[in-house]
Amino acid sequence: DADVTQTPRNRITKTGKRIMLECSQTKGHDRMYWYRQDPGLGLRLIYYSFDVKDINKGEISDGYSVSRQAQAKFSLSLESAIPNQTALYFCATSDYGSTTDTQYFGPGTRLTVL
Amino acid sequence: AQKVTQAQTEISVVEKEDVTLDCVYETRDTTYYLFWYKQPPSGELVFLIRRNSFDEQNEISGRYSWNFQKSTSSFNFTITASQVVDSAVYFCALSEAMAGGFKTIFGAGTRLFVKA
Repeated sequence: DADVTQTPRNRITKTGKRIMLECSQTKGHDRMYWYRQDPGLGLRLIYYSFDVKDINKGEISDGYSVSRQAQAKFSLSLESAIPNQTALYFCATSDYGSTTDTQYFGPGTRLTVL
Repeated sequence: AQKVTQAQTEISVVEKEDVTLDCVYETRDTTYYLFWYKQPPSGELVFLIRRNSFDEQNEISGRYSWNFQKSTSSFNFTITASQVVDSAVYFCALSEAMAGGFKTIFGAGTRLFVKA
């Protein structure tokens, strides 16, 4: 089984709808991240969490919110989806005990906002 | 400020050719980490290598090799005798320590096409 899972894998929704993307991990890592990938822009950080009580905004947090329900779960919400939030979304984890912060990624969620 | 530049947007080679993917970074920290990730057509991101700023030794892993040069702030990736399965987008990333953890930024990626 995959160490980092994301649900759903694909989602098509309409402008104005509320959407939640979920991430679960079995790696036992404390740190979790949400990125979005757009063509030609690489990965950009939306939010990150270094432990259950720690939530931080990343480079492009506007229009998004997150919830760290447990060490293993980190959800990303789009309160009112808009077309320019169409992208590939990745969840990642890394180990607090690591001195190098190697990040391990989920399979991605492809979100289309019509 | 942190910055990672992958100037090559797309590269196309014929199978068995060698190919080098360039990565140039900017940082003010003396301690940092550099990474390469591979994103095959299936979409997942696969960790390839990590290098810390104090280790400038080049690394070879099978057909893959990495050349880290602090003097030019570069961390280039070479694939020897490329294969069709190497076709993917490759991302270079830079990670610096911050309060509580690390901040990682990614380059825009280089799309590699390997033709049979």
